[in-house]
Amino acid sequence: TQLLEQSPQFLSIQEGENLTVYCNSSSVFSSLQWYRQEPGEGPVLLVTVVTGGEVKKLKRLTFQFGDARKDSSLHITAAQPGDTGLYLCAGGQGYQKVTFGTGTKLQVIP
Amino acid sequence: GAVVSQHPSRVICKSGTSVKIECRSLDFQATTMFWYRQFPKQSLMLMATSNEGSKATYEQGVEKDKFLINHASLTLSTLTVTSAHPEDSSFYICSARAGGGETQYFGPGTRLLVL
Repeated sequence: TQLLEQSPQFLSIQEGENLTVYCNSSSVFSSLQWYRQEPGEGPVLLVTVVTGGEVKKLKRLTFQFGDARKDSSLHITAAQPGDTGLYLCAGGQGYQKVTFGTGTKLQVIP
Repeated sequence: GAVVSQHPSRVICKSGTSVKIECRSLDFQATTMFWYRQFPKQSLMLMATSNEGSKATYEQGVEKDKFLINHASLTLSTLTVTSAHPEDSSFYICSARAGGGETQYFGPGTRLLVL
């Protein structure tokens, strides 16, 4: 069974602080997605990374795919209350099913 | 683009009844659809993978006779929870993937409460 471990599991920070969420596995993935999910809703895709070492930026969010394509990180700069949610990474291997990470619940306090 | 809808968004039913949940890809053809179950404050647990026109592939521990999946067209998959019991109460989420792509697009989820 492929596992994607996310850390930390829970994170509560003040508005304006920076944070990094990690997604680690012993398996190699051809692509990796990051999603944000709010209570009672489905996950919303934030980004897809496919190349080892790739870095993508989405406003205050920076995503990096590890060189060996086994891990990824999500860095948020100057967090805002609107960033609150459950962050999920998901690794894909071709057209096989996607493996979801264990999730990181982020709370940004105004 | 890449919008996936689910219906209903919430359903309450009595124990022993069956409930059907629909998942539709609105602006693309989904060769593969996935059904997930999510418990509070936890990640998504894959239940089954369905490809249009063929039988669904169920994950270990998921009863295929209880969770019936039909993927009759490239835009519609249905999940039927048969003879529902209170322990089936959960948040069910579908996702769809277009042919040639790896990214899944998720529906908004269906909250099922079995009394």
